[in-house]
Amino acid sequence: QQQVKQSPQSLIVQKGGISIINCAYENTAFDYFPWYQQFPGKGPALLIAIRPDVSEKKEGRFTISFNKSAKQFSLHIMDSQPGDSATYFCAASGRGNYQLIWGAGTKLIIKP
Amino acid sequence: SQTIHQWPATLVQPVGSPLSLECTVEGTSNPNLYWYRQAAGRGLQLLFYSVGIGQISSEVPQNLSASRPQDRQFILSSKKLLLSDSGFYLCAWSVRQGSGYTFGSGTRLTVV
Repeated sequence: QQQVKQSPQSLIVQKGGISIINCAYENTAFDYFPWYQQFPGKGPALLIAIRPDVSEKKEGRFTISFNKSAKQFSLHIMDSQPGDSATYFCAASGRGNYQLIWGAGTKLIIKP
Repeated sequence: SQTIHQWPATLVQPVGSPLSLECTVEGTSNPNLYWYRQAAGRGLQLLFYSVGIGQISSEVPQNLSASRPQDRQFILSSKKLLLSDSGFYLCAWSVRQGSGYTFGSGTRLTVV
């Protein structure tokens, strides 16, 4: 019940296309859902996060869509660029728990 | 502003040698601190976390240990390294539950 399942494991998208990465969770106590971006040899960096009181959050080309009833959330990258090529992690945490529960990661490659 | 420092950036150590990795956070007080390990091309494995000085929780039993001698200092240690200890070690901090983590730049450890 503590797991966050992330898919796909890897994704190749043409430049200018839309990249979509999905995550699913079971624990209904989760109330914070961040996405992290990691470039090779670097630590992950917080990209965007959402709480369950909204169904969508947009920051520039990055959008989180959240479906509370389905217990799913996804990251959409619009107009994907080669510079977006990285590994993306979703995560979740809930009240009374300091720890983030991480998805397994998605390696995204944007082809020029 | 808050910053996190992690060193060294790379380390090559022989099997059986000791290890000490240090992480310090500036610009905040009483942070939650975390040590993660990431194998090549893999996800994030939580090793230890700490919610206060001297308070360490271990997630994975192994030959590593952690200590928090000061509020903003987190140390990862080993008395005798194994080949399987090779990996990318990341320190992170968060200010409270339900907030994002900020990661350090990581230490690439190679045990030979």
